[in-house]
Amino acid sequence: DQQVKQNSPSLSVQEGRISILNCDYTNSMFDYFLWYKKYPAEGPTFLISISSIKDKNEDGRFTVFLNKSAKHLSLHIVPSQPGDSAVYFCAPWGTNAGKSTFGDGTTLTVKP
Amino acid sequence: NAGVMQNPRHLVRRRGQEARLRCSPMKGHSHVYWYRQLPEEGLKFMVYLQKENIIDESGMPKERFSAEFPKEGPSILRIQQVVRGDSAAYFCASSLAGTGGIAGNTIYFGEGSWLTVV
Repeated sequence: DQQVKQNSPSLSVQEGRISILNCDYTNSMFDYFLWYKKYPAEGPTFLISISSIKDKNEDGRFTVFLNKSAKHLSLHIVPSQPGDSAVYFCAPWGTNAGKSTFGDGTTLTVKP
Repeated sequence: NAGVMQNPRHLVRRRGQEARLRCSPMKGHSHVYWYRQLPEEGLKFMVYLQKENIIDESGMPKERFSAEFPKEGPSILRIQQVVRGDSAAYFCASSLAGTGGIAGNTIYFGEGSWLTVV
């Protein structure tokens, strides 16, 4: 059973506009939610996280919103830049057994 | 990628051979995770290990796959009698602590090992 779902496999936006990547989860016991960014042929790199006790965390151009009632989180990138083109994974982080299950990822393409 | 070292970066094996992938976690990290990324798919959890212990192997195929993290040396992901479907990128990650909800805990990934089975 997949604990997180990223229902949009791809997203294309124009440079300078906002990118919104979404993630839905099923388990309410997660303590944190993490977003990772991955370029082709490289390992994922940590981007931003949010604690389950918060509803928003901001770091520069990146903001993550958490809606616990809807079990939904989103990553906003504004303004989007061509260098943001990558695959973005959301991953819950919780107390159950040390496993971090990633979503299938959303491929973001930012067009110049 | 913050010091998690994986080798080899690329490995080619014929069907039926064995593949061994090694992972040295970041200095001071005692928690290691292995993930597999099949072509056109996301990262899939395989196994979570601490030194000398397998904590969670629920994502590991039941046959041919094994993992260890000895007291000394790197973590090893071993695939016996490889088949074409094993061709994938295998990522190792490490963390300072496990997922007990410690504030700010994140895991750091290696560059991955690309296995091709011919």
